[in-house]
Amino acid sequence: NAGVMQNPRHLVRRRGQEARLRCSPMKGHSHVYWYRQLPEEGLKFMVYLQKENIIDESGMPKERFSAEFPKEGPSILRIQQVVRGDSAAYFCASSPPSTSGSTGYNEQFFGPGTRLTVL
Amino acid sequence: GEDVEQSLFLSVREGDSSVINCTYTDSSSTYLYWYKQEPGAGLQLLTYIFSNMDMKQDQRLTVLLNKKDKHLSLRIADTQTGDSAIYFCADPSSNTGKLIFGQGTTLQVKP
Repeated sequence: NAGVMQNPRHLVRRRGQEARLRCSPMKGHSHVYWYRQLPEEGLKFMVYLQKENIIDESGMPKERFSAEFPKEGPSILRIQQVVRGDSAAYFCASSPPSTSGSTGYNEQFFGPGTRLTVL
Repeated sequence: GEDVEQSLFLSVREGDSSVINCTYTDSSSTYLYWYKQEPGAGLQLLTYIFSNMDMKQDQRLTVLLNKKDKHLSLRIADTQTGDSAIYFCADPSSNTGKLIFGQGTTLQVKP
C-alpha cells in the first residue's frame, strides 16, 4: 500500500506565478488535510477536505489560496500570484473515514511535502 | 483558541535519556500525538496516548500525560544519534480532527 504521495517535491516559482501542489492520499483514505510549515516554525493547519467537499478551511489565507479534492484524482492546493512569503513546505496528510467521529483515534499519514521557493 | 507549546531545542549525549515537554490548551481531545520529522522529510507518527491514560510505554519511548496541568512529555531512553530529529506534539481539534502542532523541539544527540 503506497503511502501519501505529493508532487512535485520541489517547486520554484517567480513572484506573480501560480503554484499547484498535488496530493494523492493513501488507498482507502477519503480525508485530506493540508498543512504549511514556514521556515523554523511548526506546522499550521490550512484546510480539511473530503471528496468534493471542503470541511474546514479556517487556516486558509483569505486570498490567492484555494483547495479541492475532486471525486477522481488527487487533491490540489493552488496558490495564485505567489509572493516570497509563500515560500514554505506544504504537507498533505490523509486519514481513513473515522468510525467514531473526530474524537476517536484517527491517525493522519503525512506525505513527504512539497517545498515551494518563490524567487 | 487552541494552542500547543514546546521548548525549541534539546541537546543530549548518546546513551542519555531525552525528555521533551509540551503543554496544550484544548482538554477535550481523546488522543494526543507525538510526531517525528527527520531532515527534509515528512512527519511520522511516533506514538500517541489516550486521554484517560497517565502513561504509555512503547519500547524506548514513554509518554506521560498530566491532564490537570495539560502537560504532555515524551521520554526517549538510551537516546541514539538516529533519534536526532524534530519532535512535534499534536492536539487534534475537537471539531474536525485537524491537528494543532507545537513549534517542534529539535533534538540534537551528541556522540
